[in-house]
Amino acid sequence: QSVLTQPPSASGTPGQRVTISCSGSSSNIGSNTVHWHQQLPGTAPKLLIYSNNQRPSGVPDRFSGSKSGTSASLAISGLQSEDEGDYYCAVWDDSLNGVVFGGGTKLTVL
Amino acid sequence: EVQLVEFGGGLVQPGRSLRLSCAASGFTFDDYAMHWVRQPPGKGLEWVSGISWNSGSIAYADSVKGRFTISRDNAKNSLYLQMNSLRAEDTALYYCAKDGGSAVPSNWFDPWGQGTLVTVSS
Repeated sequence: QSVLTQPPSASGTPGQRVTISCSGSSSNIGSNTVHWHQQLPGTAPKLLIYSNNQRPSGVPDRFSGSKSGTSASLAISGLQSEDEGDYYCAVWDDSLNGVVFGGGTKLTVL
Repeated sequence: EVQLVEFGGGLVQPGRSLRLSCAASGFTFDDYAMHWVRQPPGKGLEWVSGISWNSGSIAYADSVKGRFTISRDNAKNSLYLQMNSLRAEDTALYYCAKDGGSAVPSNWFDPWGQGTLVTVSS
């Protein structure tokens, strides 16, 4: 049971916009910045979004992040087949004194 | 190019110990905090431990506290994870990851290594 709650799956057709939610509490998302990691099949995770809505260099602007209260969201516009994979939110938790991950969302491009 | 290469994984019996290493290159190692994150086969990510640039601040997940010890050698650009009293539930791919922030840990990970597999089984 993860501290952060993500939907186990999401899907969309090429070109569509999909969003993935991440729900937490006042001790994590409510008081710290949220980060998102992408894990394509058979590969190591890769940073996608940091500090709620910042994109590392090289990450397309099709990917965007937002945060409100104790929830955060990752949006992917112009969905492409190569976006298929698992997406994880992560944040520091002040009560646990450690980083917590969401359970992950498996994105399927139909 | 920033590179992180983990090694030291393998098959180990329950109750035994194993030491993982991570060799870093392509950046000023002692400017950054470092982390270990693991992923059991077919499951999600779990943060294991993090260490500040000067080893002055260390944190562990509750699941490994008292059994695992993180350390670093800045002269050798290396990160370590000493794992004692291993259990079947510690079976996972263990990733080394560089913290995104400099001086003050940011707790986002960029980049990640390719991982080293630890299997705990009799």
